[in-house]
Amino acid sequence: AQSVAQPEDQVNVAEGNPLTVKCTYSVSGNPYLFWYVQYPNRGLQFLLKYITGDNLVKGSYGFEAEFNKSQTSFHLKKPSALVSDSALYFCAVRDEGGYNKLIFGAGTRLAVHP
Amino acid sequence: DVKVTQSSRYLVKRTGEKVFLECVQDMDHENMFWYRQDPGLGLRLIYFSYDVKMKEKGDIPEGYSVSREKKERFSLILESASTNQTSMYLCASSLQKGVTEAFFGQGTRLTVV
Repeated sequence: AQSVAQPEDQVNVAEGNPLTVKCTYSVSGNPYLFWYVQYPNRGLQFLLKYITGDNLVKGSYGFEAEFNKSQTSFHLKKPSALVSDSALYFCAVRDEGGYNKLIFGAGTRLAVHP
Repeated sequence: DVKVTQSSRYLVKRTGEKVFLECVQDMDHENMFWYRQDPGLGLRLIYFSYDVKMKEKGDIPEGYSVSREKKERFSLILESASTNQTSMYLCASSLQKGVTEAFFGQGTRLTVV
């Protein structure tokens, strides 16, 4: 069965430090992976996606994600965190049933402290 | 910019009421989705539609129905609201071709009392 796991409920980072939000996935075919961010009382905003090719994907707001096939991971990273990055982050994988349906992880709350 | 608009940001309804959540997208997307978001559970798919008048059940369709009479509009219906349907509801749309991201509305926080 397809699934996405985000092993950390919350990640705490000091402003200016690098951040990593972890995601692992399970699919039988090629994985198509996504990261979204949600600010309080808002919908989800798309950050980046991996389809094929380069394992390092660059996205919006200075975020990037590293695809690792052997570890079935797709971790979200940023070299220098901002307080304004504090939000809820969701990893997702496209459902193999098609229609661009997404299967989401439970979410990780990122808190960046001044 | 793609815009997905949900008709209400906050809604309070009574147990047993019939509730309509409306969603409109302006980018001519074929696919539309209704998700429910609960803390610790992420987003779970309730229903989706890949064309006008076509619908498919998602992972948690019980207690819900949907309607898609026009391409741009996708409605979620709670036939008889219950307190366990208190949640954040998110509508999304996407193209059908290729591997594309979904675009989300701002969400409707529904409280059933």
